[in-house]
Amino acid sequence: KQEVTQIPAALSVPEGENLVLNCSFTDSAIYNLQWFRQDPGKGLTSLLLIQSSQREQTSGRLNASLDKSSGRSTLYIAASQPGDSATYLCAVTPRGGGTSYGKLTFGQGTILTVHP
Amino acid sequence: EAQVTQNPRYLITVTGKKLTVTCSQNMNHEYMSWYRQDPGLGLRQIYYSMNVEVTDKGDVPEGYKVSRKEKRNFPLILESPSPNQTSLYFCASSCFPLSISNQPQHFGDGTRLSIL
Repeated sequence: KQEVTQIPAALSVPEGENLVLNCSFTDSAIYNLQWFRQDPGKGLTSLLLIQSSQREQTSGRLNASLDKSSGRSTLYIAASQPGDSATYLCAVTPRGGGTSYGKLTFGQGTILTVHP
Repeated sequence: EAQVTQNPRYLITVTGKKLTVTCSQNMNHEYMSWYRQDPGLGLRQIYYSMNVEVTDKGDVPEGYKVSRKEKRNFPLILESPSPNQTSLYFCASSCFPLSISNQPQHFGDGTRLSIL
């Protein structure tokens, strides 16, 4: 059974700092990995999606990397801002086929606080 | 505006009283899914649907039912709710399951259920 772990559980940084969030998964047979952001009282917003054949994806100040063989992904946030404060979750989709098709397994998230 | 709409947003009810949480999307997405989010356990998938009349179990389907009679709607049914189903529920949709198209999922804002 796939297990997804995110470290650290919480992170507090001053504005302007570069930071890294970590995600690890136990089964490397994934099709893709996705990073989400969740604001309090809201649903999830997709940030970046990395296919299993890719090494990284970038969007603005965000860069996500994937090392499938070691079961790890990182989300790098450059020049953090108070508006980046949220919970960040990673999730993996298994390689398609059978009943695993359409499933999604989430980590428990990292609560990020960026203070001015 | 593209959106996933859940109703109700909040509900307090009693054990054993059947309830339905509706989910509707206006993006003509084939794939829809339900999750529950609990402190310390993160987001867990309940059921998903790959298209009309096609549904499958996620990781925690016990005590829940779903139906997919039309593309835009994917209601979550609790036939006999119990206190352990008190949780925050999210519905999501995407063009195809992530295993095929790598399209990100769109999430609703959540439904907070309290079962007394």
